[in-house]
Amino acid sequence: DSGVTQTPKHLITATGQRVTLRCSPRSGDLSVYWYQQSLDQGLQFLIQYYNGEERAKGNILERFSAQQFPDLHSELNLSSLELGDSALYFCASSVTSGSETQYFGPGTRLLVL
Amino acid sequence: AQTVTQSQPEMSVQEAETVTLSCTYDTSENNYYLFWYKQPPSRQMILVIRQEAYKQQNATENRFSVNFQKAAKSFSLKISDSQLGDTAMYFCAFMKHRSGQNFVFGPGTRLSVLP
Repeated sequence: DSGVTQTPKHLITATGQRVTLRCSPRSGDLSVYWYQQSLDQGLQFLIQYYNGEERAKGNILERFSAQQFPDLHSELNLSSLELGDSALYFCASSVTSGSETQYFGPGTRLLVL
Repeated sequence: AQTVTQSQPEMSVQEAETVTLSCTYDTSENNYYLFWYKQPPSRQMILVIRQEAYKQQNATENRFSVNFQKAAKSFSLKISDSQLGDTAMYFCAFMKHRSGQNFVFGPGTRLSVLP
């Protein structure tokens, strides 16, 4: 158990809908990262938050957004969902924004029908 | 941009034997970190081992050890005394120093440990 929690574990929804994925980092970690893992594209970095502020953006679509709250938990919002958004979404956390090891949560498996 | 290559899409090994997974990377950076993560069928991403580029000594973690060749940009993972629980997808990953968002993963090697 990495100490990072993610809810829900599974999510099934329809195209065009909006969903919210939630992540709680390890105790003491200030930085949260979101990744998407799909079958054909491997693990892709989406976005990073550090202590409530956006720190970096990766391959994140405009239909996706995220935020980190004062209690340091983070939410990833996916809207206008498409079939291709079906994937495993991971949250990871680290102590700071630098080079510390990232610890991954169990992931949320999203299926868009 | 950094890239990570894992040339072995699939491998298998008999239980109790030793196996080595290959990883090469391309970077112009001098300070960076390398990682091996394991993803079992549960899909959880589990850190196996980490190596700092400035350290010449190869990292070890129980049955897991790496062969880090900085000049060759090679970072292989050796698993000794393989166990059935080692069956998983193994990802090699690169991170530039002080740049947590630049975490680049390789495509993975699927390892099957056979009884």
